[in-house]
Amino acid sequence: DARVTQTPRHKVTEMGQEVTMRCQPILGHNTVFWYRQTMMQGLELLAYFRNRAPLDDSGMPKDRFSAEMPDATLATLKIQPSEPRDSAVYFCASGIYNEQFFGPGTRLTVL
Amino acid sequence: EDQVTQSPEALRLQEGESSSLNCSYTVSGLRGLFWYRQDPGKGPEFLFTLYSAGEEKEKERLKATLTKKESFLHITAPKPEDSATYLCAVVTSGNTPLVFGKGTRLSVIA
Repeated sequence: DARVTQTPRHKVTEMGQEVTMRCQPILGHNTVFWYRQTMMQGLELLAYFRNRAPLDDSGMPKDRFSAEMPDATLATLKIQPSEPRDSAVYFCASGIYNEQFFGPGTRLTVL
Repeated sequence: EDQVTQSPEALRLQEGESSSLNCSYTVSGLRGLFWYRQDPGKGPEFLFTLYSAGEEKEKERLKATLTKKESFLHITAPKPEDSATYLCAVVTSGNTPLVFGKGTRLSVIA
């Protein structure tokens, strides 16, 4: 049963620290998305890649967030420095054609 | 700007009490409308994709329908295990990011 995996599942850190979240997309999916979910805003797109090339990262604060796909099996989202307002659940999704499948998320708490 | 609005925000049903969730959308050109189910602490789980007005899809107690302006998720004789947040999303180009509504939190009471 192919699934998107994300690590870590939970992260608590202090303001100013670097946070790295990892995602392994479903094998064969050519598009990877990073979303952030909060109670107030719901699910919002941060960035996405197709065939490992970044297509849109306009949803990310560029001065602190970065997203990369070093290879087809790994996508990363980094926050440096982290701030309390970054506390949220971060989801990775992978897709092919129009269907997207989500990972279990990383719950980030920045103190 | 593409917009997706879901109503109601929350819905409480007795077991067996059928109802519908609404998803209205304003987009420049709809390529697909998606329904997801999200349980607490988990990622959204794909349910349906609808592509054109008049299309319907069913899965167990759920049926999704689509018109030119909105979609409905009909829940027939719900059970407590149907309790979850149901998310609607649209896409306007192939294999591009979804635009999500805020979701409807459904609670089914035994």
